[in-house]
Amino acid sequence: KAGVTQTPRYLIKTRGQQVTLSCSPISGHRSVSWYQQTPGQGLQFLFEYFSETQRNKGNFPGRFSGRQFSNSRSEMNVSTLELGDSALYLCASSLYGDRVGTNSPLHFGNGTRLTVT
Amino acid sequence: SQQGEEDPQALSIQEGENATMNCSYKTSINNLQWYRQNSGRGLVHLILIRSNEREKHSGRLRVTLDTSKKSSSLLITASRAADTASYFCATVPWNQGGKLIFGQGTELSVKP
Repeated sequence: KAGVTQTPRYLIKTRGQQVTLSCSPISGHRSVSWYQQTPGQGLQFLFEYFSETQRNKGNFPGRFSGRQFSNSRSEMNVSTLELGDSALYLCASSLYGDRVGTNSPLHFGNGTRLTVT
Repeated sequence: SQQGEEDPQALSIQEGENATMNCSYKTSINNLQWYRQNSGRGLVHLILIRSNEREKHSGRLRVTLDTSKKSSSLLITASRAADTASYFCATVPWNQGGKLIFGQGTELSVKP
């Protein structure tokens, strides 16, 4: 089975621009979560989607948004980029229909490295 | 704020030695999970221990959980150079829905 696929792998953007990151979960997985990883803040939860509905949201400004499609693929969007948005953005999928992490491990992609200049 | 605090932040050992990493958390949890991350890549799930379990084994990994002390430890026995990575504990707090809260991680370096 193919793993979680994230595209693109690397991205360089300028302050004020917007960006869209894509994630294809493992086949059959219906829950997709997004995390931001930075050296200073570590791994921080952004949001989680299940069956096209956002079930959980972390403490990020409204510039960060996401969605999930009927085939479980997910995208996240960051508008009006700031220098502090430079990070590794990780997507993870989970098999079971219960709430993510309850009894289901997360399967992570290799991330999108976003650099904002 | 981070739910988990890991100790030590960095650990350097020789191949064949055991490595122990500790994780403390703040609130009641449903389960605690350990993940490994090789440099610049995604996280790999290692082991999940439920709140009603005290110890779990998987290959060279041994995880303990003490809910009274709100702490967990990960032991890697007979370490190998390939175990060099960052290790994170993650919890699902009861009062924060179904999201994983990660600790800051322990950087393990295993020297051949």
